[in-house]
Amino acid sequence: AQSVSQHNHHVILSEAASLELGCNYSYGGTVNLFWYVQYPGQHLQLLLKYFSGDPLVKGIKGFEAEFIKSKFSFNLRKPSVQWSDTAEYFCAAASGSSNTGKLIFGQGTTLQVKP
Amino acid sequence: DVKVTQSSRYLVKRTGEKVFLECVQDMDHENMFWYRQDPGLGLRLIYFSYDVKMKEKGDIPEGYSVSREKKERFSLILESASTNQTSMYLCASSLRTGSYEQYFGPGTRLTVT
Repeated sequence: AQSVSQHNHHVILSEAASLELGCNYSYGGTVNLFWYVQYPGQHLQLLLKYFSGDPLVKGIKGFEAEFIKSKFSFNLRKPSVQWSDTAEYFCAAASGSSNTGKLIFGQGTTLQVKP
Repeated sequence: DVKVTQSSRYLVKRTGEKVFLECVQDMDHENMFWYRQDPGLGLRLIYFSYDVKMKEKGDIPEGYSVSREKKERFSLILESASTNQTSMYLCASSLRTGSYEQYFGPGTRLTVT
């Protein structure tokens, strides 16, 4: 069955620390991958996406993610986090051959950045 | 900018009541989705629709139904609300083709007492 798994459920970092959030997916065929972020009190918004081309994708606010096909992974990274990065982060995937656009989401990772 | 709006941010209902959650998008998207968001469980798909009057069950459709009479509007219906339906409900929309990026509304926090 198709699935998305996020390894870290709750991460606490100090400002300026580096961040890496793990995401693994289980899909056959081509896959479109996403990271969404939900800041406190705000709605989910797209952080970055991959559906073809360069496996290293850059998103908003200094975030990037690397698609490693051999590892079925799409980890999110940021070299230096800020207090304002405190949020919940969701990894999601869609089949590249889908005709419905359904996304499957991971369980989410809560990031707390201490000032 | 795509805008997805939901009829209420907060809603309190009693067990057994019929509950309607409304969602409207303004970007002519074909696909619309209803999710519930619970701590530690991420987003789980309840129902989705890929065209007017078309709907498909998601992963957790039990206790819910949907209606899509117009392209821009997608309603979630709880026929007889129960306490285990207390949750955050998120609506989203996307184009039928392309990257499948979904755009989300602000959510409705429903409490069933």
